[in-house]
Amino acid sequence: KAGVTQTPRYLIKTRGQQVTLSCSPISGHRSVSWYQQTPGQGLQFLFEYFSETQRNKGNFPGRFSGRQFSNSRSEMNVSTLELGDSALYLCASRSGTGVGNEQFFGPGTRLTVL
Amino acid sequence: DAKTTQPPSMDCAEGRAANLPCNHSTISGNEYVYWYRQIHSQGPQYIIHGLKNNETNEMASLIITEDRKSSTLILPHATLRDTAVYYCIPPGGTSYGKLTFGQGTILTVHP
Repeated sequence: KAGVTQTPRYLIKTRGQQVTLSCSPISGHRSVSWYQQTPGQGLQFLFEYFSETQRNKGNFPGRFSGRQFSNSRSEMNVSTLELGDSALYLCASRSGTGVGNEQFFGPGTRLTVL
Repeated sequence: DAKTTQPPSMDCAEGRAANLPCNHSTISGNEYVYWYRQIHSQGPQYIIHGLKNNETNEMASLIITEDRKSSTLILPHATLRDTAVYYCIPPGGTSYGKLTFGQGTILTVHP
């Protein structure tokens, strides 16, 4: 089975721009979660989508948004980029059923905001 | 919020067992302890999880104390490829698709 894929792997943007990151989950997985990783804050949960609905949300401003498509692929968008948004953005998928939280992570998208 | 206490770093000789401790709040109900690791420049990788009994899989063993306030991840024969940051996700640190990561333990395996 193919793993979780994320595109692009690297991205450079300037302040004020917006960016869209993409995540393709493992086939059959219906849940996609997004995380931000920075040296200062570590790994922080952004949100989770299941069957095209946001089911859980972390403590991030409204500039961070996401969506999920009927094929379970997910995108996250960051508008009005700030320097502090420079981070590794990770997505993870899981089957989405039951209480298990075994998540499979992608390699991440490294976003640099100049 | 659920929290854990893990040593910031540990060393281990290749071929020896690596024992990574984690102190957390008491596990209750259906709250599992999950362990993940992150090798440099990669996404985190699931290792193992447990509720109250000891667990073993092909990667590691998980020992949970009787009072369920702490757990130990054991890598029985550490290799250089096991050098990574190891995260203990505390009981209550999961909800729908959410994992609450702490700072983790940097494990360095030496030749």
